[in-house]
Amino acid sequence: DVKVTQSSRYLVKRTGEKVFLECVQDMDHENMFWYRQDPGLGLRLIYFSYDVKMKEKGDIPEGYSVSREKKERFSLILESASTNQTSMYLCASSPGRVGQPQHFGDGTRLSIL
Amino acid sequence: KQEVTQIPAALSVPEGENLVLNCSFTDSAIYNLQWFRQDPGKGLTSLLLIQSSQREQTSGRLNASLDKSSGRSTLYIAASQPGDSATYLCAVRPLNTDKLIFGTGTRLQVFP
Repeated sequence: DVKVTQSSRYLVKRTGEKVFLECVQDMDHENMFWYRQDPGLGLRLIYFSYDVKMKEKGDIPEGYSVSREKKERFSLILESASTNQTSMYLCASSPGRVGQPQHFGDGTRLSIL
Repeated sequence: KQEVTQIPAALSVPEGENLVLNCSFTDSAIYNLQWFRQDPGKGLTSLLLIQSSQREQTSGRLNASLDKSSGRSTLYIAASQPGDSATYLCAVRPLNTDKLIFGTGTRLQVFP
């Protein structure tokens, strides 16, 4: 089975802090994704990556950056956390082959105080 | 711009009922459609994936259909059980991208 692991289930940070959310997958998938999920808005794509050192902006990239130095790891960075970034963050991965399903981690619930 | 809508937003049924969850999308230029389950406070579990060339997929008590031309998909759950209680999300993958566009989900409660 595909395993997508997010480093923290719950995280509390303060406004202005630099926050790192880590995601690791063990199936040698080429594609990795970061979403945020908010009530009434559903899942929205922040950034995704097709390969190591490659990244593409999703629908809501403002205030975020990403890093993919190794194929199995995709990090989401909040450069200067703000209260409106309090949310559930979900990481996903999929093979590079067309038409394959995305597999999700358990999520990180991030609170910015 | 692709938009995905799920109706109803919430559903409460007694155990044993057969039920249908609906998903509609505005742009038929999709590669595939995926149904997920999400338990409270958890991530998403992939249930079924239907390629655009397919009409339906089945897994156990679940059956998903796709009518791409009309922009609709349904998830049929047979003989519902309390363990089926969760939020069900559908997502479409537009052509030429690996991105998914999600609906806001149907929250299902099955009571004994």
